[in-house]
Amino acid sequence: GAVVSQHPSRVICKSGTSVKIECRSLDFQATTMFWYRQFPKQSLMLMATSNEGSKATYEQGVEKDKFLINHASLTLSTLTVTSAHPEDSSFYICSARASMYEQYFGPGTRLTVT
Amino acid sequence: AQSVTQLGSHVSVSEGALVLLRCNYSSSVPPYLFWYVQYPNQGLQLLLKYTSAATLVKGINGFEAEFKKSETSFHLTKPSAHMSDAAEYFCAVSFGNTDKLIFGTGTRLQVFP
Repeated sequence: GAVVSQHPSRVICKSGTSVKIECRSLDFQATTMFWYRQFPKQSLMLMATSNEGSKATYEQGVEKDKFLINHASLTLSTLTVTSAHPEDSSFYICSARASMYEQYFGPGTRLTVT
Repeated sequence: AQSVTQLGSHVSVSEGALVLLRCNYSSSVPPYLFWYVQYPNQGLQLLLKYTSAATLVKGINGFEAEFKKSETSFHLTKPSAHMSDAAEYFCAVSFGNTDKLIFGTGTRLQVFP
């Protein structure tokens, strides 16, 4: 099946710094990728839809200036958490759209802000 | 508004017993429904999906689900649980011509020997 990778798998950063998370579709091209956030023992919440070559579409309540998304190629989307704070600590998961109603999920990135 | 409700945040079964995980949806348009499994500290893996074809959908690892429009349900079943089935299971709905997924709150399945 299709494979999506995320890097890094874990990251610890200090409050006030920025962190970049990469999401790559390894064996298919994805014009659309999605970014989710998952708090411990909770469900996934869609943060934004990333479209190659255009601006991301953010869900209501998600700060676009804090969570910068860049989808510069058909296989790579990045999420940058700017000026991270402890409340941004979470599990971030991306997915890549292979075809209609067919998404493949990355393994997730655990962000801890100290 | 579209939504998904998973009844039971925890389900425990004995190895070899029937697995039944419940999912009900709310949608004003024909839904597309999905079940995903998540193992600890990992991403999600698609078990099966309903996209308006056959109402009984068979997935991986022996799981299946039946779309019942009259009951607005899409329950996940497996005849005989294995220890390796222990994980978190998420039901999700998509609708219209978007791929945006709305997830339920998840059900943690425990399998006892």
